[in-house]
Parts: sequence; structure tokens; C-alpha cells
Amino acid sequence: KAGVTQTPRYLIKTRGQQVTLSCSPISGHRSVSWYQQTPGQGLQFLFEYFSETQRNKGNFPGRFSGRQFSNSRSEMNVSTLELGDSALYLCASSLGRGTVNTEAFFGQGTRLTVV
Amino acid sequence: GENVEQHPSTLSVQEGDSAVIKCTYSDSASNYFPWYKQELGKRPQLIIDIRSNVGEKKDQRIAVTLNKTAKHFSLHITETQPEDSAVYFCAAITGRGSTLGRLYFGRGTQLTVWP
Repeated sequence: KAGVTQTPRYLIKTRGQQVTLSCSPISGHRSVSWYQQTPGQGLQFLFEYFSETQRNKGNFPGRFSGRQFSNSRSEMNVSTLELGDSALYLCASSLGRGTVNTEAFFGQGTRLTVV
Repeated sequence: GENVEQHPSTLSVQEGDSAVIKCTYSDSASNYFPWYKQELGKRPQLIIDIRSNVGEKKDQRIAVTLNKTAKHFSLHITETQPEDSAVYFCAAITGRGSTLGRLYFGRGTQLTVWP
């Protein structure tokens, strides 16, 4: 069974640009969450999608957005990049069935560097 | 929202000794508590989890205990080995519908096992 796949693995962008990151969850998983990981702030929750709907959102500015497709693949977009957006972006997938919390598995992450 | 605190931030032990990492949470509705291990440059990997209807769970050298009354849970690693060296994160998920799928992470513990 394939794991969670994130593409690309590495990105270098300049300030002001925008970027799109992709996450393919484990087959059968319908929930995809995104996290930003930085040395100073740890793992910060961005948002979570379930069945193409954003179910939760963290405290990030509107420059951070996402979506989920009918095949559960998810994309995250960051517009008007700032230096502080440099981080490892991780997505996690889980079954997300009903009201039962299930195990979440992480992808390898996308390392974004803004210069 | 939920607030998870993790201690200590760094932990050094001699190979063969035990290591204990402690976390507290604030929301009594939290009902699922996973632990992740993240080696340098790699994704966080789920190593063990516990649900609120269980007080203890063990898997070979690792165990997790949960005290719902005190709202804390702990990771215990026995007979530590150098390959246990990594950052360990605790997390909690509440059972509330509005925050399903959102992991609240502790700040992480850097465990170093010296040979």
C-alpha cells in the first residue's frame, strides 16, 4: 500500500511569488491535513479537508489556502510569499470516518525556501 | 482550543536506560493521543497511540500511559538504543465535531541516546 506522497520535495521561490504544493493520501483515506514545521514554532496546523470540504482551519493568514479533489488528493497554495514562509510543509492523511479519530500518517514533506 | 504541553524539550540518556516524556492537555474532550518520532530530515512517524478509554498501551520497548483525570499522558521507552535518538512529538485530538482531524502537537522532545 503506497504511503502519503508529497510533491515537490524541494522548492526555492522568491518573495512575492506564489506556490502550489500537492499531497496524495493513502488510498481510501478521505481526510488530509496540512502542517507547517519550523524550528522555532514546531508543527503548526494549517487546515484539514474531508470529502472536498475544509473542516478545520488554523491561524494562518488568507495567503494560505487549500483544496481537495474528488479523489482525495489535496493541494495547498501560498500566495505573495514572504521570507517567513520558509518551512517544511507536511501533509497527513487519515481515514477520517465518522466521528472516530483515526491514525494520521505523514508524507515526506515539501521543503520550501523563500529567498 | 486544545493546548498540549510537552516536557522535557531535550533528554539525554545512556544506552540501556529508560526515557520518559510527559505531555499535558487542556481539553477534557480530547480522546485520542498519538506519539510521533521524527528523525533528522525525515517525516514524523506514528510509533504508538492511545485512546481515552484505555489507561496504558505497550508495544515492545515503548509504552504510553494516560491519566484522564489529571489530563496527562506519557511515553516510556525502555532499554534505549542509539537509534531511538530523534525528536518525539505528542499530540491530542478532541472528539468535538468542529475540530475532528486536527492534531494539536506538543513542541517536541529531542531525545539523544549515548552509546
